[in-house]
This record gives sequence, C-alpha cells and structure tokens, in this order.
Amino acid sequence: DSGVTQTPKHLITATGQRVTLRCSPRSGDLSVYWYQQSLDQGLQFLIQYYNGEERAKGNILERFSAQQFPDLHSELNLSSLELGDSALYFCASSAGQGARGEQFFGPGTRLTVL
Amino acid sequence: DAKTTQPTSMDCAEGRAANLPCNHSTISGNEYVYWYRQIHSQGPQYIIHGLKNNETNEMASLIITEDRKSSTLILPHATLRDTAVYYCIVRYPGAGSYQLTFGKGTKLSVIP
Repeated sequence: DSGVTQTPKHLITATGQRVTLRCSPRSGDLSVYWYQQSLDQGLQFLIQYYNGEERAKGNILERFSAQQFPDLHSELNLSSLELGDSALYFCASSAGQGARGEQFFGPGTRLTVL
Repeated sequence: DAKTTQPTSMDCAEGRAANLPCNHSTISGNEYVYWYRQIHSQGPQYIIHGLKNNETNEMASLIITEDRKSSTLILPHATLRDTAVYYCIVRYPGAGSYQLTFGKGTKLSVIP
C-alpha cells in the first residue's frame, strides 16, 4: 500500500459526458501527479501540482483539467469524453517537488467510455 | 531526458536472480537512472535509483557501468510476485523535469 488513494476504482460513462477523478496523496506529500495509461500510448504524464499550484504540464488535452485543493487532495476533470479517453488514470505523490524521482502511485481509476 | 532501450520480455526461474538490462548510451553526467515496476495494471512501484555508484536496497541492486551507458537491475531471488513490467527511466532531477517518462519496459515473467 503506497498510501495514495484514488476514487472511484472503476467508472463507466458515455461519450460526451464529464467525470471527476479524485486523489488523496500520502500524508505530508505536497506534489501530486496525474498519469494516463492506455493500451496504445503506455504510461503518459498529464500534469503536476505542488502545494496547490500547477508545476508541470504534459500531454494533457484541453478537455481535461485538474486542481489541487488546500487539503492537498487533487481532482482530475475529464469532459466531452471520447471513446479514446478510456484508460487507467493514476495519481502519484511525492514529498517535495519531485526532484528525487521517488513517486508513490495510487491504485488507479479505470475509466471506460462507451 | 536520455532515451532508454530495454528488452521487450524476459523469463526467469523462480528462486534465481533476475538480471534486467537497460541501455542509456546518451545519458548525461547529471542524469540519474531510476527503476520502477508495474504489476498487472496496479500503480507503478519505485524500486531503486542511482547516479554512478552501485546501489542496493531491500528490493534490488542496481549496477551501473563505469561509462554509465548501461545498467542492470538485479532481483537476487525472484519470486512469482516479481512478475511485472520493469521500467528503466533516466532523468535529471532538476527544475522543470519532475515528471517520469515511461517507455515500454521489460515484461519479466518468473516461471515456477
């Protein structure tokens, strides 16, 4: 158990809909990262937040957005969903801004868009 | 971050050492080598990292060649629970580069 929690575990929705994925980092960790894992693209970095502020952006679509709240939990919002958005979404956390490279991953949310 | 090359798959007999190679011939002087693994759609798990010296922890050993162009992750006594995809990642732990860039990794199958 990494100490990172993600909800829900599974999410099934229809194209065009909007969903919110939630992540609680390990106690004391200030950085939260979101990754997407699809069959054809592998594990891809989406976005990082550090203590409430956006730190780095990867291949995140404009239809996707994220935020980190004062209690350090984070939410990833996916809107106008398409079939290709079906994937595993992982959240990770680290103590600092991530320089050491040790990120602790949650169990993921499996999103299925029908 | 430097590109890495790993074999697509490997088998290892249970109880034997698993040696997973990684080639990173374009690594620069301030880039570290990290290893993560992912067990069947679970979240990736950090294993070990190093700069130039060999490293060992409770999970594995990391051997980095003197020229730093390749490295080997060693699981000393592989068990069935070590069956996973192993990712070798080379990165500079500095500002603006905190995310992990995963390649395709090596699928390790531990055989009974």
